[in-house]
Amino acid sequence: QVLLVESGGGVVQRGWSLRLSCAASGFPFGSYGMHWVRQAPGKGLEWVSYIRYDGSAKYYTDSVKGRFTISRDNSQNTLYLQMNSLIPEDTAVYYCAKKKEGDTDYFDYWGQGTLVSVSS
Amino acid sequence: DIQMTQSPSSVSASVGDRVTITCRASQGVRSWLAWYQQKPGKPPKILIYGASSLQSGVPSRFSGSGSGTDFALTISSLQPEDFATYYCQQANSFPLTFGGGTKVEIK
Repeated sequence: QVLLVESGGGVVQRGWSLRLSCAASGFPFGSYGMHWVRQAPGKGLEWVSYIRYDGSAKYYTDSVKGRFTISRDNSQNTLYLQMNSLIPEDTAVYYCAKKKEGDTDYFDYWGQGTLVSVSS
Repeated sequence: DIQMTQSPSSVSASVGDRVTITCRASQGVRSWLAWYQQKPGKPPKILIYGASSLQSGVPSRFSGSGSGTDFALTISSLQPEDFATYYCQQANSFPLTFGGGTKVEIK
């Protein structure tokens, strides 16, 4: 079965960096695009970033452009999110999500999430 | 960016009720719309994609409709396990965007 397990979250101060990881199993990881989606405490869902199956295309929401970098290692079945210059507004649970098969970016499997807390 | 507006933000309903949630896009998204269910402390779960296609394993009491800018999610007969928050998401263009959510509560 598809399993996505995030790690790397924690409590940091403004301006610090974190790298999130998402270990994938149960599907051919190198054949699927992957996303990061976040959810601030008590708030709704916000899409953060996407990477194509082969890493050839990457997209970001405006608020993280220039600070966050998405990457993947298909040999290790792992997705990453490098987060630099963190600000309190980045405080959220970060989910990795698998792109549903097909041309359209829906999320058919999600991890349990990892909490990032940024203090000022 | 495409803004997604859901209504209502919350609804109180009883088991067995028919519940409809609407989602409006600030510009047309064709049929590139999904609905998700989220329970407290859990990740979202996809229910509907392509505006009206039921995801495998999702009960048939869930249905989706609409295209362009106006969409709806209907639960035909609310069950105890359906009390949750529901989100729409447009997949027409990046940045992908979600509606603000609709919390379905027990009356």
